[in-house]
Amino acid sequence: DAKTTQPPSMDCAEGRAANLPCNHSTISGNEYVYWYRQIHSQGPQYIIHGLKNNETNEMASLIITEDRKSSTLILPHATLRDTAVYYCIVRPNTNAGKSTFGDGTTLTVKP
Amino acid sequence: EAEVAQSPRYKITEKSQAVAFWCDPISGHATLYWYRQILGQGPELLVQFQDESVVDDSQLPKDRFSAERLKGVDSTLKIQPAELGDSAMYLCASSLDPKGEEAFFGQGTRLTVV
Repeated sequence: DAKTTQPPSMDCAEGRAANLPCNHSTISGNEYVYWYRQIHSQGPQYIIHGLKNNETNEMASLIITEDRKSSTLILPHATLRDTAVYYCIVRPNTNAGKSTFGDGTTLTVKP
Repeated sequence: EAEVAQSPRYKITEKSQAVAFWCDPISGHATLYWYRQILGQGPELLVQFQDESVVDDSQLPKDRFSAERLKGVDSTLKIQPAELGDSAMYLCASSLDPKGEEAFFGQGTRLTVV
């Protein structure tokens, strides 16, 4: 799996958009970008994934650059419950649970 | 909503003792994973099952760790003997099949070895 780089921490004001960046400059053509988050003392939770097109679901939006070397996870209206560690993972979509997690970004949403 | 069940939620054990964790995946999920997460780090995969068979245990410390999924449903991860460095969160995850797009994680078992 390709290596990813994320900032260790970010803050966001409640109600504002949270934009979490991820660099994956060595991504291969068959690798997808996955995002998971982990709220304190819970297991990771799947958020969204994409190959090259932007994706949106009820939780978030994923913006992938045209060269696919970086991406941004957007939480459009962050709430206090979005405070968590966010993991960006790059891997083929052929093994759902076999992910190489880095250290992620700790997002703190502040009132 | 279906969930991955794990027990116990917390376990304290003395070093050199044996300890076991249990996981019940979402019904119908053929693929099951055990991860270990050291405090402050991301989870790392220990073992992957497809039904009752181990398909990847390359990161499992086999001298002290064992995992089984005898009937292809629930699974047990065992450590014997436990060492201080085994203190971590042990997470179980399942997916419908290996090619599923997402895995579902349980809440984990927090192990403290004293």
